[in-house]
Amino acid sequence: NAGVTQTPKFQVLKTGQSMTLQCAQDMNHEYMSWYRQDPGMGLRLIHYSVGAGITDQGEVPNGYNVSRSTTEDFPLRLLSAAPSQTSVYFCASSTRALGGINIQYFGAGTRLSVL
Amino acid sequence: KNEVEQSPQNLTAQEGEFITINCSYSVGISALHWLQQHPGGGIVSLFMLSSGKKKHGRLIATINIQEKHSSLHITASHPRDSAVYICAGGGPGGGADGLTFGKGTHLIIQP
Repeated sequence: NAGVTQTPKFQVLKTGQSMTLQCAQDMNHEYMSWYRQDPGMGLRLIHYSVGAGITDQGEVPNGYNVSRSTTEDFPLRLLSAAPSQTSVYFCASSTRALGGINIQYFGAGTRLSVL
Repeated sequence: KNEVEQSPQNLTAQEGEFITINCSYSVGISALHWLQQHPGGGIVSLFMLSSGKKKHGRLIATINIQEKHSSLHITASHPRDSAVYICAGGGPGGGADGLTFGKGTHLIIQP
């Protein structure tokens, strides 16, 4: 199993460009999430999905879109990149374990710079 | 809004020392996760707990539900333990709707 795969690992964009960060998991997990990590701050939830066809906003959703057409894939779209979106992005997937707590698996991250 | 506070933010210790990292969390959080982020950036889950204590090798995690407090302990610390340790809280859904993260504790173990 590859686990959670994020592509690309690095990306540089110009202000106003759009792009899609890819996230795929091969563990048949129901739940997937996108986070951003900025210096001096904890990871913050952008969007999450509890199953194919179901997505919802997290703490910092503005400027990002998501869709979940399959269980495996959860792409994050930047519609019009802004310098404030310079960050490291992590995708995570999870499944319910014994005791009702979800085991979290993280991708390796995408480091994005917007100039 | 769920909140998670971690302390200390930075910790430098000598090899062999006993390490404690603390985490306080708000009402609404029903499970705690301890995560490790390596210098290369990857994040791995160490523990998930909603009560009591868990142990894995030299790592021990405890949680006090009444006080809304959790601790991560490292016994006989080693330079390879140097990493950022992150506490994160999940709501009643078990974390299915995402986690709330602390800012992390940057741990350096010197030989």
